[in-house]
Amino acid sequence: QVILKESGPALVKPTETLTLTCTVSGFSLTDAKMGVGWIRQPPGKALEWVAHIFSSDEKSYSTSLKSRLAISKDTSKSQVVLTMTNMDPVDTATYYCARIWDDFLTGYYIPFDYWGQGTLVTVSS
Amino acid sequence: DIQMTQSPSSLSASVGDRVTITCRASQDISHALAWYQQKPGKAPKLLLYAASRLQSGVPSRFRGSGSGTAYSLTINTLQPEDFATYYCQHYYSTAHTFSQGTKLEIK
Repeated sequence: QVILKESGPALVKPTETLTLTCTVSGFSLTDAKMGVGWIRQPPGKALEWVAHIFSSDEKSYSTSLKSRLAISKDTSKSQVVLTMTNMDPVDTATYYCARIWDDFLTGYYIPFDYWGQGTLVTVSS
Repeated sequence: DIQMTQSPSSLSASVGDRVTITCRASQDISHALAWYQQKPGKAPKLLLYAASRLQSGVPSRFRGSGSGTAYSLTINTLQPEDFATYYCQHYYSTAHTFSQGTKLEIK
């Protein structure tokens, strides 16, 4: 059973650094072409892709957020960590992590097939 | 980055109707397109990928089609549980951009 669970602070102050952790089970971050991504959604607004990382350690970042982001993985803990610096009230959103992988048996890239429940992060002083 | 434009932004329909939502990419994305359904307070659910491949467990009334820059999601015989917000997302390049979504409401 594939499960992803986000954890992190519910409230951060402007200019602070946000650190979110995604803990996964049911698959391994060392499996070939397996990855985890982060997606956020401000209240009442659309989804926004933020970043993702693959087992190969290949990383991709949103162009608009790239200067503030870092994504990493700890395979021993089955965790993917996202840090976002210089938080602003406009970064208030529900942050989701989700699995992304390349099914080499079928030859298809499967985007975000399993999601965590999401964690609401509010940026306010 | 590739931009995704979805239309309409909202849509009213009745149970039993057929509806179509369209998604246009700012460049050819070669079928690297996924569709998601999201209900209030819930995480999105993957419906289709590779433009037309149905994710496991998704009812066959959901159909995806298109090529190049233009794609569509058709829902045949709308069921009460289909009223939700739908998003497309490309994954042609490393920046996996989402669209702004379509809210499907009951008429």
